[in-house]
Amino acid sequence: KNEVEQSPQNLTAQEGEFITINCSYSVGISALHWLQQHPGGGIVSLFMLSSGKKKHGRLIATINIQEKHSSLHITASHPRDSAVYICAAKITSGTYKYIFGTGTRLKVLA
Amino acid sequence: DSGVTQTPKHLITATGQRVTLRCSPRSGDLSVYWYQQSLDQGLQFLIQYYNGEERAKGNILERFSAQQFPDLHSELNLSSLELGDSALYFCASSPREGTGISGNTIYFGEGSWLTVV
Repeated sequence: KNEVEQSPQNLTAQEGEFITINCSYSVGISALHWLQQHPGGGIVSLFMLSSGKKKHGRLIATINIQEKHSSLHITASHPRDSAVYICAAKITSGTYKYIFGTGTRLKVLA
Repeated sequence: DSGVTQTPKHLITATGQRVTLRCSPRSGDLSVYWYQQSLDQGLQFLIQYYNGEERAKGNILERFSAQQFPDLHSELNLSSLELGDSALYFCASSPREGTGISGNTIYFGEGSWLTVV
């Protein structure tokens, strides 16, 4: 069992739909990142969370430390949101190691 | 543009060879991280340096090594290459050693595609 799990693995949505991607982790963390990987391979850091909720444009990320769960929401999805979304947990073992989820491949259809 | 520069962008080499991947972090960032993304294993943390010193090691093979120089750029050396080393290698940087509640974040380069034939 992976220490960081994402769901769903693949997601196809129609333009305008509200999208939720989930990330659950089983280790102690100091922060959780949501990353977006474009089809060309480049990775962009969307959010870094240690508690609560953050919003940037149409993207919202939440984290529940007690439940060890984070969600990434995309409102009014658009084809340009098509990418792989990866959650990365920064563990608190005294090192600065990240454990990555396997990614969610999102395709938004026009 | 994240400000993290990686070279080369693409590299094809033969088994048994040695390659060096280079990373220039964002201006002022002291931490550099290396990651490997292969088709079957997803994104894997390899190693982290902070201000020239190794800080954390992940799933880095003994055939691989890295260093961070006084000007803060970093190099990842891959030797005795095998077909399975074919992957996208990412470098990332951050201003400080850790993130957490400081609000620090991590910036990724575009990656270096390595193909071993």
